Amino acid sequence: DTAVSQTPKYLVTQMGNDKSIKCEQNLGHDTMYWYKQDSKKFLKIMFSYNNKELIINETVPNRFSPKSPDKAHLNLHINSLELGDSAVYFCASSQDWGSEQYFGPGTRLTVT
Amino acid sequence: GENVGLHLPTLSVQEGDNSIINCAYSNSASDYFIWYKQESGKGPQFIIDIRSNMDKRQGQRVTVLLNKTVKHLSLQIAATQPGDSAVYFCAETVVNAGNMLTFGGGTRLMVKP
Repeated sequence: DTAVSQTPKYLVTQMGNDKSIKCEQNLGHDTMYWYKQDSKKFLKIMFSYNNKELIINETVPNRFSPKSPDKAHLNLHINSLELGDSAVYFCASSQDWGSEQYFGPGTRLTVT
Repeated sequence: GENVGLHLPTLSVQEGDNSIINCAYSNSASDYFIWYKQESGKGPQFIIDIRSNMDKRQGQRVTVLLNKTVKHLSLQIAATQPGDSAVYFCAETVVNAGNMLTFGGGTRLMVKP
């Protein structure tokens, strides 16, 4: 029944490693997103993607890259992890660029 | 009770009272506004939205007011219940620019039984 799911829920890794977070939505939506929530609960958009276009928040380091194997998935790849990457990452989806977004449960990433 | 922007990040109300959470948004070009509720350990959950061609929209126990002149958004919750306790975020976006939400800093609502 889960509309937007993410794996893993928790991810602990060391600086310099490369990791991925998976996101799947079973809503048939065309557009997916990634957000980062820091320790002060501030939410920031990272990417907006549909089958036509990827929009990147200019503040996101190029160590972060979204990859979409199909319309239902948008995975987040992070290279050379840094301490400041520690946060909760949320995936979201919407029917199109004009619709409400549904969020996943989040992945808590801890970089040591 | 009434919370004004980020200066009062926690709003405490008595069960049964009405709650008002305020938000000042930044982009005058934003045309779509949403309120989200986030409970501990969970993702943001959609509450209600409003488009820039409206100034008021009502849902079940919730009302959103939009004042574009002063770039202000508010969420009113009627008869607040303990289950309403959470962090509330306003978000704004320009739909044709990729629908990338810009979130406000959040307000924690605490409901006292």
